[in-house]
Amino acid sequence: SQQGEEDPQALSIQEGENATMNCSYKTSINNLQWYRQNSGRGLVHLILIRSNEREKHSGRLRVTLDTSKKSSSLLITASRAADTASYFCATDEGGATNKLIFGTGTLLAVQP
Amino acid sequence: GAGVSQSPSNKVTEKGKDVELRCDPISGHTALYWYRQSLGQGLEFLIYFQGNSAPDKSGLPSDRFSAERTGGSVSTLTIQRTQQEDSAVYLCASSLVMAGSNTIYFGEGSWLTVV
Repeated sequence: SQQGEEDPQALSIQEGENATMNCSYKTSINNLQWYRQNSGRGLVHLILIRSNEREKHSGRLRVTLDTSKKSSSLLITASRAADTASYFCATDEGGATNKLIFGTGTLLAVQP
Repeated sequence: GAGVSQSPSNKVTEKGKDVELRCDPISGHTALYWYRQSLGQGLEFLIYFQGNSAPDKSGLPSDRFSAERTGGSVSTLTIQRTQQEDSAVYLCASSLVMAGSNTIYFGEGSWLTVV
């Protein structure tokens, strides 16, 4: 079963606008990561935020983490048509397996 | 190789046949993961390898699914007696296991269609 739920399931915006995606999870985590997937193929790692961090930036990406609410958000600023993709959060609970549990994903469409 | 390599990239098989999917991880990565993604869905964890052993195979959906890894490198996911519900993209990923920071790198996936 999946750990994370993402919201919204789909988001359509115009180029230049900001896109915000949210992720909620259920258990304690070591870190939370965001991945991007184009056209149902392999996922690409975007950013990792550790459980003791509250906010992290990488280029046009801004990630927040609220461990008390078990939620995270990904903000993409000044969106471009090339940002069109599915975005997934993934949680690492730590422990022996180091596996990542993925959320359900948000499909982002950026209209030119 | 430079990235995670998977083969075949596409496979159409008849119901009841066995299939093998191969994953060649990034050189030096000790951890290897298999995930499954049905159309329009999120990723479902199947199995995790650390070296050649599989400390977590909790996600394998049935005993028709098995996986092995040899030489701490290549892994094979085998699905026996395939069913139509097995149709999905099978994604392999690998990582260096680092405390608090296990970024994983995905292959392009193997599209499996069972007809």
